[in-house]
Amino acid sequence: EDQVTQSPEALRLQEGESSSLNCSYTVSGLRGLFWYRQDPGKGPEFLFTLYSAGEEKEKERLKATLTKKESFLHITAPKPEDSATYLCAVRTEGTNFNKFYFGSGTKLNVKP
Amino acid sequence: DTGVSQNPRHKITKRGQNVTFRCDPISEHNRLYWYRQTLGQGPEFLTYFQNEAQLEKSRLLSDRFSAERPKGSFSTLEIQRTEQGDSAMYLCASSFAVGGRNTEAFFGQGTRLTVV
Repeated sequence: EDQVTQSPEALRLQEGESSSLNCSYTVSGLRGLFWYRQDPGKGPEFLFTLYSAGEEKEKERLKATLTKKESFLHITAPKPEDSATYLCAVRTEGTNFNKFYFGSGTKLNVKP
Repeated sequence: DTGVSQNPRHKITKRGQNVTFRCDPISEHNRLYWYRQTLGQGPEFLTYFQNEAQLEKSRLLSDRFSAERPKGSFSTLEIQRTEQGDSAMYLCASSFAVGGRNTEAFFGQGTRLTVV
């Protein structure tokens, strides 16, 4: 069965303390791995798409990487405004089965 | 285009009542998705449309749930005879797919349903 697991569930960092969030997946035929940021009471906001192992994407303090089994979201020198829940999603192959499976998210809290 | 729009943002209803939510996708997007999210969990897939055709429904979507996308534009999600377990955030997303390519999905701000 297709599965997406994110760890840790929650992460508390001091401002400037770099760290990584993990998303591991077991799916039949990956057609893309997606990272979203979600603030409380709001919909997920798109961050990155990764399609193949070895691919990397960067945006400000965030960098996403992908292997055949997992993805990492690296946060360099985080600021309090980076506090949010970070969601990972995968899209699987299939003629009509192009839906997104989400993990449960990592809730990041960055203290000043 | 201001992105995916969902209405209402919040809905409080009594158990047993029917509710309907609306989603207006990004105008050029031909795929539209409905997801449900409960506190501390990631979004769970409910159903999706390619233009006006509903291509897949999750096992989570009981007979009390129905979704439509007339003319491939906006979509509605109706829940009949609501139950307290239906309380959740209902998220709509849209993407563009052509051939074998499908863009990332962009989400609306969601409709928070509370059943009392």
